Amino acid sequence: DTAVSQTPKYLVTQMGNDKSIKCEQNLGHDTMYWYKQDSKKFLKIMFSYNNKELIINETVPNRFSPKSPDKAHLNLHINSLELGDSAVYFCASSQAASTYEQYFGPGTRLTVT
Amino acid sequence: SQQGEEDPQALSIQEGENATMNCSYKTSINNLQWYRQNSGRGLVHLILIRSNEREKHSGRLRVTLDTSKKSSSLLITASRAADTASYFCATAYDGNNRLAFGKGNQVVVIP
Repeated sequence: DTAVSQTPKYLVTQMGNDKSIKCEQNLGHDTMYWYKQDSKKFLKIMFSYNNKELIINETVPNRFSPKSPDKAHLNLHINSLELGDSAVYFCASSQAASTYEQYFGPGTRLTVT
Repeated sequence: SQQGEEDPQALSIQEGENATMNCSYKTSINNLQWYRQNSGRGLVHLILIRSNEREKHSGRLRVTLDTSKKSSSLLITASRAADTASYFCATAYDGNNRLAFGKGNQVVVIP
């Protein structure tokens, strides 16, 4: 059973389009995260939700909007995609916010052309 | 913000050898964690060491933590080709709801 799943795994789209990435965890965790990994493998936190409440909102363009319909799901919607948005996006979850180990999804490779 | 930094950045070793990588950080932490990322995959949690611990083992992995030097090391003993991956350290500290990831070490184990 997949603990943290993301769809789609690959996403190729043109500049200006709007796209969404979905994430689900079946671990019963309270906290979920979105990360962006660039071509140099640097991992940057974007957002975090704890029990559907936004607790981390890093400096990302407001074209990025997370949505958590319930604590098992955290989706990422991106408006007006730009070339610089090309990256791998990872969803993760942890038992609670703060210092617990995190469980990562397989990633979504977004390519904007 | 706090950031782990691994050193060295890339390591190439023969199967059976040991691989050691280091991580340094800047401020007091609650714990330090190591993760592995295989090519094209998500990160996998390997081991967590708390600030009051000095050494921890898990299988072929040994992690040390020196809070006075604000550094940690990850040792992989008797490496295997399947250990080829990027290894990241991440620091967690009280009052903050996030992990700060380092830049990662690429380890290549040659069969």
